[in-house]
Amino acid sequence: AQRVTQPEKLLSVFKGAPVELKCNYSYSGSPELFWYVQYSRQRLQLLLRHISRESIKGFTADLNKGETSFHLKKPFAQEEDSAMYYCALSRAGGGADGLTFGKGTHLIIQP
Amino acid sequence: NAGVMQNPRHLVRRRGQEARLRCSPMKGHSHVYWYRQLPEEGLKFMVYLQKENIIDESGMPKERFSAEFPKEGPSILRIQQVVRGDSAAYFCASSPPVGDEQYFGPGTRLTVT
Repeated sequence: AQRVTQPEKLLSVFKGAPVELKCNYSYSGSPELFWYVQYSRQRLQLLLRHISRESIKGFTADLNKGETSFHLKKPFAQEEDSAMYYCALSRAGGGADGLTFGKGTHLIIQP
Repeated sequence: NAGVMQNPRHLVRRRGQEARLRCSPMKGHSHVYWYRQLPEEGLKFMVYLQKENIIDESGMPKERFSAEFPKEGPSILRIQQVVRGDSAAYFCASSPPVGDEQYFGPGTRLTVT
């Protein structure tokens, strides 16, 4: 069975510092990886996905199949980045599928 | 487009009662997913439905839980004879017929007393 691991429950960094939220996965096939974000009092929303290879709100994530990782990075953190971040995996490679989520990392950006 | 709607937002049930959670997908979306989030945990997939069909229920507990997505009306997650361990946040998501991006509702927080 597939699994997603986010080793950090809480990550606190200062504004302007680099941010890296770790995500590792295990799955025998070719997964699709996502990062979802939940800002305070808002619903869960998609931040980015590995196939799009975009930078969203300054965040990027590269799928490393050798290390089975999909870490989320941003070079300069901003206070509005404070939120819960969830890494998720789909088995379906572009089709509909129930997602497997990590437990989430609470990112706090200190002024 | 109002987004995915869930109601009620909060539901309190006594042990042994039934809980019915509703999810209205976004307009034009034909796929619905239910997830459960226990305290301090990530979201756990429960079931994936299309209109009148259960596609994947591999995450559903074997007893007391059922889900439907009728031709007309919202998707319903039904929990019979609730127990304290059912207390959790239940999230619904929907996706369009083509593509896989899931849009989440605000969740229903179920408390079993």
